[in-house]
Amino acid sequence: KQEVTQIPAALSVPEGENLVLNCSFTDSAIYNLQWFRQDPGKGLTSLLLIQSSQREQTSGRLNASLDKSSGRSTLYIAASQPGDSATYLCAVKGGAGSYQLTFGKGTKLSVIP
Amino acid sequence: GAVVSQHPSWVICKSGTSVKIECRSLDFQATTMFWYRQFPKQSLMLMATSNEGSKATYEQGVEKDKFLINHASLTLSTLTVTSAHPEDSSFYICSVARGDSGYTFGSGTRLTVV
Repeated sequence: KQEVTQIPAALSVPEGENLVLNCSFTDSAIYNLQWFRQDPGKGLTSLLLIQSSQREQTSGRLNASLDKSSGRSTLYIAASQPGDSATYLCAVKGGAGSYQLTFGKGTKLSVIP
Repeated sequence: GAVVSQHPSWVICKSGTSVKIECRSLDFQATTMFWYRQFPKQSLMLMATSNEGSKATYEQGVEKDKFLINHASLTLSTLTVTSAHPEDSSFYICSVARGDSGYTFGSGTRLTVV
């Protein structure tokens, strides 16, 4: 069974700081990995999608990397802003014979003005 | 990318009543939709896979008679929580799979059963 772990569970940083969120998964036979953002009481907003053949994806101040063989992904946020405060979820598709999405528990980010 | 509309965004109902949640794929013909449940400070747990024109596939431990799923068209899936009880109070989210383009999620429904 695929398991996804996100570290840290919570993170508080001052505005302007660069930061890294970590995601690890137990079965490297994945199709893709997707990073989402969730604001309190809201649905999920897709940030970046990395296919299994890719190493990284970039969108604005966000950069996500994927090391499939080691079962790891990182989400790098540059020059953090208070508006970045949210919970960030990592989800992998596939692994252990499953075509489903498996989510981590998320990292709650607070960017302090 | 696909736009997914979920309604209602929140609902309060009395114990024993039924509640229907709608998930619409506005610009993508979705043969498959997914229903998730999220408890506070927990991650999303897949409840069932909704298949257009056929029966839904439920995950282990999810009562199919309690959580009725209907996917009658390529743009609409509904989740009905029947005979709701306080322990059914949760955040329910639907999603649409877009092949290799990943998943798009609805805005979620906060259900409170009193």
